[in-house]
Amino acid sequence: GEDVEQSLFLSVREGDSSVINCTYTDSSSTYLYWYKQEPGAGLQLLTYIFSNMDMKQDQRLTVLLNKKDKHLSLRIADTQTGDSAIYFCAEDPYGQNFVFGPGTRLSVLP
Amino acid sequence: SAVISQKPSRDICQRGTSLTIQCQVDSQVTMMFWYRQQPGQSLTLIATANQGSEATYESGFVIDKFPISRPNLTFSTLTVSNMSPEDSSIYLCSVGRDGRSYNEQFFGPGTRLTVL
Repeated sequence: GEDVEQSLFLSVREGDSSVINCTYTDSSSTYLYWYKQEPGAGLQLLTYIFSNMDMKQDQRLTVLLNKKDKHLSLRIADTQTGDSAIYFCAEDPYGQNFVFGPGTRLSVLP
Repeated sequence: SAVISQKPSRDICQRGTSLTIQCQVDSQVTMMFWYRQQPGQSLTLIATANQGSEATYESGFVIDKFPISRPNLTFSTLTVSNMSPEDSSIYLCSVGRDGRSYNEQFFGPGTRLTVL
């Protein structure tokens, strides 16, 4: 079955890099996604990566994909207090409905 | 991007009652989705609601408990029926974006439901 796993908590100091890791089980997803949920708000698509790519960079965000190990990571450079949120990894097997991970709560310390 | 609003934003309800949650989108969309996010957990898809057809429910969710309406391309409702404390969750609606190669969904702010 489909399963997406993430560590639940991460704390970093402001200005450091954050790395959020995710593992998934279904290799049929064409894309893999990172969503961000700020307190009291809905989810917002942060970035996505095509499954044939191994890296995607978008300003402070770097997504790494190891398809062989089914491992996805999100690196946030120069983490700011505004980056404090819950980050969800997601896949969409066969392009259908999302399967979300449990979310990683990122806390940025001053 | 689509702008999505939900009503109510939160509610506290008594066991055995029902609550209808509204989802309004600022543009016409084909696909709308309803999710549940239980405290401290990830999102679980309840059902997919396409206009002009019956909602499609995921395993573990039934129409009698979560009836859905989709009267037009900008609006949907989800009713949580005969509530129990286990239904305390955040309920989110989302819409899919047509015409993209990747599966982008836009989420509403959610309705926080507490059942006493």
